Amino acid sequence: DGGITQSPKYLFRKEGQNVTLSCEQNLNHDAMYWYRQDPGQGLRLIYYSQIVNDFQKGDIAEGYSVSREKKESFPLTVTSAQKNPTAFYLCASSVPGLAFNEQFFGPGTRLTVL
Amino acid sequence: DQQVKQNSPSLSVQEGRISILNCDYTNSMFDYFLWYKKYPAEGPTFLISISSIKDKNEDGRFTVFLNKSAKHLSLHIVPSQPGDSAVYFCAASGGSNYQLIWGAGTKLIIKP
Repeated sequence: DGGITQSPKYLFRKEGQNVTLSCEQNLNHDAMYWYRQDPGQGLRLIYYSQIVNDFQKGDIAEGYSVSREKKESFPLTVTSAQKNPTAFYLCASSVPGLAFNEQFFGPGTRLTVL
Repeated sequence: DQQVKQNSPSLSVQEGRISILNCDYTNSMFDYFLWYKKYPAEGPTFLISISSIKDKNEDGRFTVFLNKSAKHLSLHIVPSQPGDSAVYFCAASGGSNYQLIWGAGTKLIIKP
């Protein structure tokens, strides 16, 4: 079964700690994305990667970092510099180069910083 | 600057009736529009899309209408069913940019 997995589903961390959210896809998609969703808001793009070993900042990249060493993996690190890290984080992937950019999403990780 | 706007945070519709969700955009470079459905604590799932060369696209109970001159699109669900209760996001893309620009979402509640 092809899809995107995110783990864990719920994550709790103390303030000041870095935390890494996992995202894996077996859809053979080149492009991957990280979004953040807050209550009453749309999805805001944190980082995206169109190809292995390359990634670009999205609209709200401050306090986050990513890596793309493998096509199927795009982990997101929420650093202590992120001022308000408690949110629902969504990872997505797509086939770039198509006019119709349908993105496929994972189930999300809810991060709570105590 | 919100390029994609969904001005109704929520909408309540009787089961069996038509649900109409609206979306406005400001960027005339957008050439593809997508609707996603999202249940709580899950990722969004793709529902239906429309290209800017069309003004209507239909898929079963779901129809999307595009009015380019008004920069407005709408999603019609007929008939509405209890399982349609979810948050619906409108998203747009354009040019060579791979990004999707998202609206804030509309929570649809189907009443029995």
